[in-house]
Amino acid sequence: DSGVTQTPKHLITATGQRVTLRCSPRSGDLSVYWYQQSLDQGLQFLIQYYNGEERAKGNILERFSAQQFPDLHSELNLSSLELGDSALYFCASGGGGDTQYFGPGTRLTVL
Amino acid sequence: GQQLNQSPQSMFIQEGEDVSMNCTSSSIFNTWLWYKQDPGEGPVLLIALYKAGELTSNGRLTAQFGITRKDSFLNISASIPSDVGIYFCAGLTNFGNEKLTFGTGTRLTIIP
Repeated sequence: DSGVTQTPKHLITATGQRVTLRCSPRSGDLSVYWYQQSLDQGLQFLIQYYNGEERAKGNILERFSAQQFPDLHSELNLSSLELGDSALYFCASGGGGDTQYFGPGTRLTVL
Repeated sequence: GQQLNQSPQSMFIQEGEDVSMNCTSSSIFNTWLWYKQDPGEGPVLLIALYKAGELTSNGRLTAQFGITRKDSFLNISASIPSDVGIYFCAGLTNFGNEKLTFGTGTRLTIIP
């Protein structure tokens, strides 16, 4: 158990809809990272927050957004969903340095 | 998005055999990490490497940070059934951002 929690574990929705994925980092970790894992693209970095502020951005679509709250939990919002957004979404947390600890993921299926 | 090249893509071995896999990049990384992912789970950190040439062990696992800083290697000795899974390398540049760039993965299967 990495200490990172993610909810929900599974999410099934329809195209055009909007969903919110939630992540609670390990106790004491200030950084939260979001990754997308799909069969054809592998594990791709989306975005990082550190102590409530955006720190780094990767290949995150404009339809996706994230935020980190004062209690350090983070939410990833995915809107106008398309079939291709079906993937595993992982949250990782860390102290702001190099090692990142991953949560169990949320499997998103867009029908 | 960018991915690091890992080889082999998959391995079929017998229990007790040693395993070697590697990861190469066209660009330099300052930190190399190795993760293992079981089906339906998130990647679990196995080993972290911080210095070119560094050799680090974690039980039966040994990883090396390549001298050129563009590659890394992972060895598993005397494989056991719980070693089955997908192994990912990941690189970090540490230049103003902390995003991990992941390898394409090596799937390890143990033949009974």
